[in-house]
Amino acid sequence: DVKVTQSSRYLVKRTGEKVFLECVQDMDHENMFWYRQDPGLGLRLIYFSYDVKMKEKGDIPEGYSVSREKKERFSLILESASTNQTSMYLCASSSSSPRTSLGWGEQYFGPGTRLTVT
Amino acid sequence: KQEVTQIPAALSVPEGENLVLNCSFTDSAIYNLQWFRQDPGKGLTSLLLIQSSQREQTSGRLNASLDKSSGRSTLYIAASQPGDSATYLCAFSGTYKYIFGTGTRLKVLA
Repeated sequence: DVKVTQSSRYLVKRTGEKVFLECVQDMDHENMFWYRQDPGLGLRLIYFSYDVKMKEKGDIPEGYSVSREKKERFSLILESASTNQTSMYLCASSSSSPRTSLGWGEQYFGPGTRLTVT
Repeated sequence: KQEVTQIPAALSVPEGENLVLNCSFTDSAIYNLQWFRQDPGKGLTSLLLIQSSQREQTSGRLNASLDKSSGRSTLYIAASQPGDSATYLCAFSGTYKYIFGTGTRLKVLA
């Protein structure tokens, strides 16, 4: 079974703090993703990575950065946390899908981190 | 721009009913379709994946279909149970990203 784990289920931080959210997958997936989920706005892609040390901006990258030094680990960094970054953060991974030749394979999610910035 | 709509936004049914959740999209250039379940405060659990060359997938009481020409996917849940209560999301895999619907919140009453 694919397993995606996130470092914390709940996190409370103060405005201006630097925050690290860690995600680890155990299935040797090439692709990893960070989303945030807010009521009424659905899932929004922050960043994704299709290989070690590679990263691409998603729809809402402002205020965030990422790091992927090893294939299994993808970190999301809030450089200076703000109250509008209070949200549920979801990490996911997927393999490329050679059978489809294009597109992305099945996506697997971690349990989520509920971040509150006060 | 690809948009994904899920109808209805919320649904409440008595236990034992068969039900259909709908997902529609605006761009036929999609590759894969995935249905997820999300319990409150939790991550997304993958239910079914339909690859672009397929028309449907089945797992237990769940059946998902994909019709690219009409821009529609449906998730059929047979003999619903209270444990099926959750939010169900569909997601399309485009060229460079997944695009998610906003979900259908399902409540199955005992």
